[in-house]
Amino acid sequence: QKEVEQDPGPLSVPEGAIVSLNCTYSNSAFQYFMWYRQYSRKGPELLMYTYSSGNKEDGRFTAQVDKSSKYISLFIRDSQPSDSATYLCAMSIYGNNRLAFGKGNQVVVIP
Amino acid sequence: GAVVSQHPSWVICKSGTSVKIECRSLDFQATTMFWYRQFPKQSLMLMATSNEGSKATYEQGVEKDKFLINHASLTLSTLTVTSAHPEDSSFYICSAAGQGKNTEAFFGQGTRLTVV
Repeated sequence: QKEVEQDPGPLSVPEGAIVSLNCTYSNSAFQYFMWYRQYSRKGPELLMYTYSSGNKEDGRFTAQVDKSSKYISLFIRDSQPSDSATYLCAMSIYGNNRLAFGKGNQVVVIP
Repeated sequence: GAVVSQHPSWVICKSGTSVKIECRSLDFQATTMFWYRQFPKQSLMLMATSNEGSKATYEQGVEKDKFLINHASLTLSTLTVTSAHPEDSSFYICSAAGQGKNTEAFFGQGTRLTVV
């Protein structure tokens, strides 16, 4: 079983819709949970960073962590065409460094 | 965020040759650098962690004699793929972090290696 599972299926949504992404994981030692956004031919950039369980909101983005279910989510409200990118979940035991990644979801927001 | 520059962005090489990939932190001192590899339709997988001035720590299953990592300065780490084979064709990406356990690591733009 892979440490981090993320259904890599592409996701197309109309502009203004809510985008919902999620990952599951198997290692209960993970304490730091991140979402990265990656545009084509660019490196991943950190979007959201959460420690332990709970919700975190930043503008149109909300990250949720449920450690009891080993499940994390990212919601993008009022999606824009500029949100079109690949979104990767990542997690670690010791902070924002040795990361275990999901496969990534390609999101396309259609104007 | 801080800038990490990776070079080259893509490279094609012949089987049996060696290829060097550079990762530079342009505006901060990177005490730790990480090298990842991503095969098509797979997730980024950590290959090794290097601290400036020390030998790299390789993840299980990664051949240290094949993937040579040098982190001789606080702004530069290199990954050399020795005696490359077609199965080494992949997307290689580095990230760099400053001092501190929870310091954010910034990613380079990645290198697409194709071995023919």
